[in-house]
Amino acid sequence: LAKTTQPISMDSYEGQEVNITCSHNNIATNDYITWYQQFPSQGPRFIIQGYKTKVTNEVASLFIPADRKSSTLSLPRVSLSDTAVYYCLGRASGNTPLVFGKGTRLSVIA
Amino acid sequence: GAVVSQHPSWVICKSGTSVKIECRSLDFQATTMFWYRQFPKQSLMLMATSNEGSKATYEQGVEKDKFLINHASLTLSTLTVTSAHPEDSSFYICSARHRLAGADEQFFGPGTRLTVL
Repeated sequence: LAKTTQPISMDSYEGQEVNITCSHNNIATNDYITWYQQFPSQGPRFIIQGYKTKVTNEVASLFIPADRKSSTLSLPRVSLSDTAVYYCLGRASGNTPLVFGKGTRLSVIA
Repeated sequence: GAVVSQHPSWVICKSGTSVKIECRSLDFQATTMFWYRQFPKQSLMLMATSNEGSKATYEQGVEKDKFLINHASLTLSTLTVTSAHPEDSSFYICSARHRLAGADEQFFGPGTRLTVL
């Protein structure tokens, strides 16, 4: 499993786009990059997953460069309800569990 | 779809008692479930991997005799904290692996907050 490094915290104003970058220098060839969101006293919620290039869904976009040593989660026009901890994880497909790093605590300010 | 529930959502118990936490996959079959523990302001820590019909695999440092895991069916795994002590107070989260077309996903339960007095 790839070890990931993220900023500990970020602040943003409402309506801005937020980009959270994660480093995973030793990612394995078969590892996917997955991002989860966690609110206080709740279980993590899947946001987005990708292998390379760009993936977009109704919640976020994920950018993964060709070398796959980093990835950027992009949240468009954040609101106060986006205040949460965001985890970047690398994992292989199959039966391997997700191993969480420290995550990035995003605070959205009005 | 892909909903995971936990019961109870919170529990308070006296030191020395045992507490059972249930994790259910409501609308899919989960051959593998995972148990995590999370202390305040910290990240999730994997405790064990639970496979249906077989013994759980525990992470290093997790006492298997203290944290009993049973995965008796494809939709239910239980974690029993035996002889609980105040240091076992934590947020316990389970997840279930669901094989979707083209990808594997882990879906998390809402968590169970255990407080041991």
